[in-house]
Amino acid sequence: QVQLVQSGAEVKKPGASVKVSCKASGYTFNSFGIGWVRQAPGQGLEWMGWISAYTGDTNYAQNLQGRVTMTTDTSTSTAYMELRSLISDDTAVYYCARGVYSDYWGQGTLVTVSS
Amino acid sequence: DIQMTQSPSSLSASVGDRVTITCRASQGISNYLAWFQQKPGKAPKSLIYAASSLQSGVPSKFSGSGSGTDFTLTISSLQPEDFATYYCQQYDSYPRTFGQGTRLEIK
Repeated sequence: QVQLVQSGAEVKKPGASVKVSCKASGYTFNSFGIGWVRQAPGQGLEWMGWISAYTGDTNYAQNLQGRVTMTTDTSTSTAYMELRSLISDDTAVYYCARGVYSDYWGQGTLVTVSS
Repeated sequence: DIQMTQSPSSLSASVGDRVTITCRASQGISNYLAWFQQKPGKAPKSLIYAASSLQSGVPSKFSGSGSGTDFTLTISSLQPEDFATYYCQQYDSYPRTFGQGTRLEIK
């Protein structure tokens, strides 16, 4: 069965970087892209960006341009999202989701940014 | 960017009711619209894609319709497990914007 398993919770100081992983199983990894979505406490869903697992092409939300990098490792069927220069407003649960339709989601990774 | 506006923002209903949630796009998106259900502390769950296609395993009590700018999600015969927050998302163009969510509560 299709599964996306994300890395564990992180606590970071302002200005630091975080890298969240999303390991896929149960399907051919490079047949679907991976999208990243975050959700601040008590807020709605915010689309962060997309990476094609086949070509590596990316598309990022404009408000994160320059701070976010999405990559994939096809040898381990894992997608990564790195966010740099963290601020308190980056405190959120970060999700990966499969494909254009986001039909399968990871369990979420809580990233807390606090001094 | 395409703005997605859901209405209502919150909705109270009783078990057994039928409810409809609306999602409006700021410009035409054909049928490139998905609906998700999210329960507290859980990841979103995909319900519908291509405006009206049910994801595998999703009960037929959920239905979607619409094209262009106006879309609806209808849930019939509400059960306790259906009380959650629902989001629409367009995937016609980047950035893939979400609606602000509709919180469905038990009356």
